Amino acid sequence: GEDVEQSLFLSVREGDSSVINCTYTDSSSTYLYWYKQEPGAGLQLLTYIFSNMDMKQDQRLTVLLNKKDKHLSLRIADTQTGDSAIYFCAETLFSGGYNKLIFGAGTRLAVHP
Amino acid sequence: DVKVTQSSRYLVKRTGEKVFLECVQDMDHENMFWYRQDPGLGLRLIYFSYDVKMKEKGDIPEGYSVSREKKERFSLILESASTNQTSMYLCASSTTPLLRAEAFFGQGTRLTVV
Repeated sequence: GEDVEQSLFLSVREGDSSVINCTYTDSSSTYLYWYKQEPGAGLQLLTYIFSNMDMKQDQRLTVLLNKKDKHLSLRIADTQTGDSAIYFCAETLFSGGYNKLIFGAGTRLAVHP
Repeated sequence: DVKVTQSSRYLVKRTGEKVFLECVQDMDHENMFWYRQDPGLGLRLIYFSYDVKMKEKGDIPEGYSVSREKKERFSLILESASTNQTSMYLCASSTTPLLRAEAFFGQGTRLTVV
């Protein structure tokens, strides 16, 4: 199947770390992505990881990839109220002769004082 | 600054109407996509296009068609709108090859069919 699964909600206190998890199905996916959607806006690419990497760090963001378990996570350090958004995990899937970008359902992150 | 522009932020249409959603990108991207976004279901691919006059069905094409007469413009058409097509519609574009390319999204069109 072409499922990318994520939990739907996460609530954290300001200043804590947030960890958003994702499982994907296509073991041949070359790139895995995290997109962020702020209220009333489209999606923006937050970060991505190449499948031959285990970890990628970019300022407050850390992406961890476990290929054996097909598990991807996004850690946001020192979470701020501006991080409140929906976070989508995505993978590229080769199907029917074309590459498609497949998204999870999105995790709504709520940051409270 | 890269830009994907959807013609309307909000639309209200009647059941049975033919509806056109327009998307324009100014980045000379080859690939363009239409998704619909529903709570708890995430983004589902309706149609995509890898070149002018080329289209491929996504995962949920039923009730929709598309048109790509020019590289920068990708239109989604609801042949006869129904209430179950009430949703947020997102257009995106990217360069080739998709594997390494960032997809840029428009702000979305919230369509309500009454």
